Amino acid sequence: SQKIEQNSEALNIQEGKTATLTCNYTNYSPAYLQWYRQDPGRGPVFLLLIRENEKEKRKERLKVTFDTTLKQSLFHITASQPADSATYLCALDPLMDTGRRALTFGSGTRLQVQP
Amino acid sequence: EPEVTQTPSHQVTQMGQEVILRCVPISNHLYFYWYRQILGQKVEFLVSFYNNEISEKSEIFDDQFSVERPDGSNFTLKIRSTKLEDSAMYFCASSGTGPDTQYFGPGTRLTVL
Repeated sequence: SQKIEQNSEALNIQEGKTATLTCNYTNYSPAYLQWYRQDPGRGPVFLLLIRENEKEKRKERLKVTFDTTLKQSLFHITASQPADSATYLCALDPLMDTGRRALTFGSGTRLQVQP
Repeated sequence: EPEVTQTPSHQVTQMGQEVILRCVPISNHLYFYWYRQILGQKVEFLVSFYNNEISEKSEIFDDQFSVERPDGSNFTLKIRSTKLEDSAMYFCASSGTGPDTQYFGPGTRLTVL
């Protein structure tokens, strides 16, 4: 069965450092991989989408890599700030066809940025 | 910026009662989804809906669940006879055409007593 693992339940870093979160998957070949941010009691907020034929995607202080051979995605937040503290979810997107986009989520990594 | 809205934010019900959770997707989106998240667990897919019919559903989405788009703006999830284990956050999401991401609403917290 499909399995998604995010590297740790919690990650604590100092403000200004780069946070690196890992998402590994098995028994799956997603067309896309997405990263979301979730704050307590709120819905997931989309951050970045990377396609299977893309190696890297950037948006401001965020960077995502996607290695379909290793079945792994890395999510980086550079120059981290306390406001970046949240749970970050990776989600596998099959894009079976445009009507079938059931996202499969990982359990998330809770990032805490210390001032 | 357009957003998905959901009502109510919190619903408390007795076991065995019917509940309807409401969502207003982003106006020009064509694909609609429901997910749920039991406290402390992963976000789980329930169902996707396109062109007035279900396009995919998970094992969780059994005969107790149904979805409807009663008019041009609302998208609802009905649970006919709630169980204690239905207590969770329920998220509605919508997406446009093509390789577009899904935009999630703030969720409805359902508590079944």
